Amino acid sequence: EAQVTQNPRYLITVTGKKLTVTCSQNMNHEYMSWYRQDPGLGLRQIYYSMNVEVTDKGDVPEGYKVSRKEKRNFPLILESPSPNQTSLYFCASSLSLAGGLNTGELFFGEGSRLTVL
Amino acid sequence: ILNVEQSPQSLHVQEGDSTNFTCSFPSSNFYALHWYRWETAKSPEALFVMTLNGDEKKKGRISATLNTKEGYSYLYIKGSQPEDSATYLCAFPAISNSGYALNFGKGTSLLVTP
Repeated sequence: EAQVTQNPRYLITVTGKKLTVTCSQNMNHEYMSWYRQDPGLGLRQIYYSMNVEVTDKGDVPEGYKVSRKEKRNFPLILESPSPNQTSLYFCASSLSLAGGLNTGELFFGEGSRLTVL
Repeated sequence: ILNVEQSPQSLHVQEGDSTNFTCSFPSSNFYALHWYRWETAKSPEALFVMTLNGDEKKKGRISATLNTKEGYSYLYIKGSQPEDSATYLCAFPAISNSGYALNFGKGTSLLVTP
């Protein structure tokens, strides 16, 4: 079954304790991205990756890191989480088409709800 | 960040009503327009990806149209059912100063009551 898998689905942590949210897709997609969803603000892109070893900042990258060592995995790292990073996080992937621009649909993971105390 | 606007913000209709909502996006440098359906406690799922001006797509009772010259897309739901209750998102892929982004609107939240 084609899917994007995120872990953990729920996490409560404390300020400053490093954490990683994993994301894995089994569709051989080149493009992967992380979003956060906050009430009234919609989905905002944190980081994206066009392919292995190619990553770039989205609209709200501060406080986050990513890596893309393998095509299927795109972990999101919070080196020193703060309460303003309490949010619902989504990983998504798609085929990259048309010279790198995404005209293909995004496939989303089930979301990871993170609370930073 | 490129502006993608959706209206209305929320909508409450009765079962059987037909409804529609709007997504506005920059009309320059158009590549594609995505529509997603997002049910509570689930993840967004793609409804349509539209690429051509004048494009019309249909999936069951849901259809969408696209006008790239004036920068808008309409999503229509015919004969709304309670299971259509969800947030409907549109997204516009574009190259911005930070590289390549898929910009989402804030969504239209639809509630269909029996």
